Amino acid sequence: GAVVSQHPSWVICKSGTSVKIECRSLDFQATTMFWYRQFPKQSLMLMATSNEGSKATYEQGVEKDKFLINHASLTLSTLTVTSAHPEDSSFYICSARRDYLTYEQYFGPGTRLTVT
Amino acid sequence: AQKITQTQPGMFVQEKEAVTLDCTYDTSDQSYGLFWYKQPSSGEMIFLIYQGSYDEQNATEGRYSLNFQKARKSANLVISASQLGDSAMYFCAMREGLPGNTGKLIFGQGTTLQVKP
Repeated sequence: GAVVSQHPSWVICKSGTSVKIECRSLDFQATTMFWYRQFPKQSLMLMATSNEGSKATYEQGVEKDKFLINHASLTLSTLTVTSAHPEDSSFYICSARRDYLTYEQYFGPGTRLTVT
Repeated sequence: AQKITQTQPGMFVQEKEAVTLDCTYDTSDQSYGLFWYKQPSSGEMIFLIYQGSYDEQNATEGRYSLNFQKARKSANLVISASQLGDSAMYFCAMREGLPGNTGKLIFGQGTTLQVKP
């Protein structure tokens, strides 16, 4: 159990376009979902925390108008990179937490975004 | 502010030998959690082991053990009997506060482990 999927697994888009990444918890309801960004051979940087039905909480330095996060249901969160630029090219990973009592986060397989 | 430090960018170990990956942390919280994740080249994050700040025993999961030294604020990962499949990047992470809080994780810089045959 506790499987998290991401779609797409990789995407190439042109500069100036928007791209949406989906994160789904397949066999559990996620109280909280997290979005991370990772550059090659670097650490994961938390971008935002989202709870179902409420606005996402963005980390300092993350542009909320550029990285739109929607947590529409207990099993789905989406990250939309708006007006993408080459510097937005990165590996985006989501994770989901099952409930407020457990400590474990379940990670999705990641989405590799390349902006040309 | 909370911080996680992994000072070993890269490590080599001979197959079947044990290896220790270092992790130190800094927090003013009394309650916190420490994690180790493995990230192979495919990119997925694989949970390895967890240690709560109030756990008196060091956590163990199969070949993985966490050497928790609270006074030194260190949480080193020990992998025994290394296997070729252990070659990956390893991240130490800390959860802020109680599990009922946001549950945010802060990650260290990572250590790339290569297992030699």
